[in-house]
Amino acid sequence: SYVLTQPPSVSVAPGQTARITCGGNNIGGNGVHWYQQKPGQAPVLVVYDDSDRPSGIPERFSGSTSGNTATLTISRVEAGDEADYYCQVWNSSSDHYVFGTGTKVTVL
Amino acid sequence: EVQLVESGGGLVKPGGSLRLSCAASGFTFSSYSMNWVRQAPGKGLEWVSSISTSSGYIYYADSVKGRFTISRDNAKNSLYLQMNSLRAEDTALYYCARDDPRTRAFDIWGQGTMVTVSS
Repeated sequence: SYVLTQPPSVSVAPGQTARITCGGNNIGGNGVHWYQQKPGQAPVLVVYDDSDRPSGIPERFSGSTSGNTATLTISRVEAGDEADYYCQVWNSSSDHYVFGTGTKVTVL
Repeated sequence: EVQLVESGGGLVKPGGSLRLSCAASGFTFSSYSMNWVRQAPGKGLEWVSSISTSSGYIYYADSVKGRFTISRDNAKNSLYLQMNSLRAEDTALYYCARDDPRTRAFDIWGQGTMVTVSS
C-alpha cells in the first residue's frame, strides 16, 4: 500500500521558519494537500494541490513538491501555529485516499 | 454557513453494529463527493470511505471493506456510514468531510462523532 512518511515532530522558535516534509513514491505526480489540526478540533485545509492556499489561510503557509517529497513551509511562525499537520494524496492506483503519518509542530 | 454535523456515535460491543449520519447544510450537497475519516485516540487521520455525487463510485479502506457501508441521500442532504462487525480497533472519532471536486482536497469537515467498541 502507498505510504506517506512525515517526521513525528518539528520544533521551531517564534518568528522562524518551520518545514514539514512528506515523503512518498513519486508524490510529485499527485496533488498534495495539507491539513492543520489543533487539539480538540477538526482538521483544517491549509494547502491544496501542492502549493495553493484556501481563502482565509495566511500567506505564511506555503507548499512545494519535488520528486518524492512534498514540503509544507510555515514562515514567521506564531504560537497559534502549534498543531499537528498531515499531508494527503489521492492514490489513483488503489482508488484510496492516503494521509501522512502526521507531524506535531511545537513552538518553543 | 457551510456545515457538516455528525451523529450516531456511541458505545457498542465487539461484533455489534452502529450507523453514523452526517447532516450537510449551506451548500448543494448533491454536487459534492463525500468522505468518512477516522482518528483513533492519540493517533493520526485514517481515510475510511468515499462516495461520489450519485453514489456511482464508492471506495473503502482495506481495514473496513466488507464490514462498513457508505451511502447518501441527496434529498435529505445526508451522508451515512453503516458499521457492522465492529472491532476494538474501530474505536475512533469519525469525521465526515466534503471533497472539493476539482482538487480532491477535503475542504469542509464536521466536528466528529465518537465510536467506542468495548465489552
